[in-house]
Amino acid sequence: RKEVEQDPGPFNVPEGATVAFNCTYSNSASQSFFWYRQDCRKEPKLLMSVYSSGNEDGRFTAQLNRASQYISLLIRDSKLSDSATYLCVVTLNQAGTALIFGKGTTLSVSS
Amino acid sequence: EAQVTQNPRYLITVTGKKLTVTCSQNMNHEYMSWYRQDPGLGLRQIYYSMNVEVTDKGDVPEGYKVSRKEKRNFPLILESPSPNQTSLYFCASSPDTGYYGYTFGSGTRLTVV
Repeated sequence: RKEVEQDPGPFNVPEGATVAFNCTYSNSASQSFFWYRQDCRKEPKLLMSVYSSGNEDGRFTAQLNRASQYISLLIRDSKLSDSATYLCVVTLNQAGTALIFGKGTTLSVSS
Repeated sequence: EAQVTQNPRYLITVTGKKLTVTCSQNMNHEYMSWYRQDPGLGLRQIYYSMNVEVTDKGDVPEGYKVSRKEKRNFPLILESPSPNQTSLYFCASSPDTGYYGYTFGSGTRLTVV
């Protein structure tokens, strides 16, 4: 069964903390990888794509390990506004039409 | 502004009464898709479309229909809604490769009583 697994959390961290989320996927044929952010009752929004070489966008760093079928997201210097649910997403085909979502990891950043 | 627009945002209906949730995107995207989100189950794909007149089933297509007569529109049709279709629905679109990820609409919260 195609699956994407995430630790649901919640992760409760103080402002300024560094937090890491992990995600594993079961289908070795997976093509593309993403992290989305979803605020309560709102639509998911693309946070970043995840590349094999790893990529960074400001305070956010994503890593992909194809051999271990593992994706990670690191958030440095957490802000209150980072509080949300983070969804790990994998596509199973080149066209990206078969999108598999993890159930999400909830982050709560407190002052 | 580039966006995916869904309507209505909220809908309460009765079992068996046909309804349509509209979805429109202004980004000239090839791919469009419908998802439902339920507590504990996450987001699951209902149908997707790779282009005009090309649609295919996702993971949970039972009880739903779609059409893609124009590139920008991808309505979701519930011919005979049932209470187990009470959910939060999202429409999404993407350029011609999954590399870029999807842009989601704001969601439609549907309650079937």
